Amino acid sequence: GAVVSQHPSWVICKSGTSVKIECRSLDFQATTMFWYRQFPKQSLMLMATSNEGSKATYEQGVEKDKFLINHASLTLSTLTVTSAHPEDSSFYICSATGTSGSNSYNEQFFGPGTRLTVL
Amino acid sequence: GQNIDQPTEMTATEGAIVQINCTYQTSGFNGLFWYQQHAGEAPTFLSYNVLDGLEEKGRFSSFLSRSKGYSYLLLKELQMKDSASYLCAVIDSNYQLIWGAGTKLIIKP
Repeated sequence: GAVVSQHPSWVICKSGTSVKIECRSLDFQATTMFWYRQFPKQSLMLMATSNEGSKATYEQGVEKDKFLINHASLTLSTLTVTSAHPEDSSFYICSATGTSGSNSYNEQFFGPGTRLTVL
Repeated sequence: GQNIDQPTEMTATEGAIVQINCTYQTSGFNGLFWYQQHAGEAPTFLSYNVLDGLEEKGRFSSFLSRSKGYSYLLLKELQMKDSASYLCAVIDSNYQLIWGAGTKLIIKP
């Protein structure tokens, strides 16, 4: 199966600072990457979808100026939480679909997630 | 609107069988996924159904009826490690993935 890594696994930061989360596809080309947020005991909430080389498409209610997404290559997407506040504390998860050789993946492969705590 | 329904929580006994149902109403259909998510971890892929019928993969099986907008995930020979949330997700006609809220499965000894 395809592998997606995410870094860092957890981060604690002060209110007002910015945090960057990286999502990498290790053994396939991620043509599309997704960023999710999940609060405790709640379902996944899609924040945005990004295609390599294009601007991300944000879901309704997600501030694009606050959650900056860059998908500059077929193996890397980044999410930057700018001027983070305590209410941004959550579990952020990326996933990806794409191709590897002649294989095309329909399913989303998830990274392990990043737990963000803003003090 | 688009909607996916699955039970909030289920309880089963170790060694038994459990069936988790999922019904959906979406604008179009291009496949249905089941994912497993342990607490504090990201989801992991279990199955993908796009045609009617049963797909078996070890202890886990997934069934789809497109005409009924219905799927189920069947878990056999339950183990304690199967305690997790099980997420049903449907790809609609725009290739958007619509997620259910998940079913928390509790396994008791």
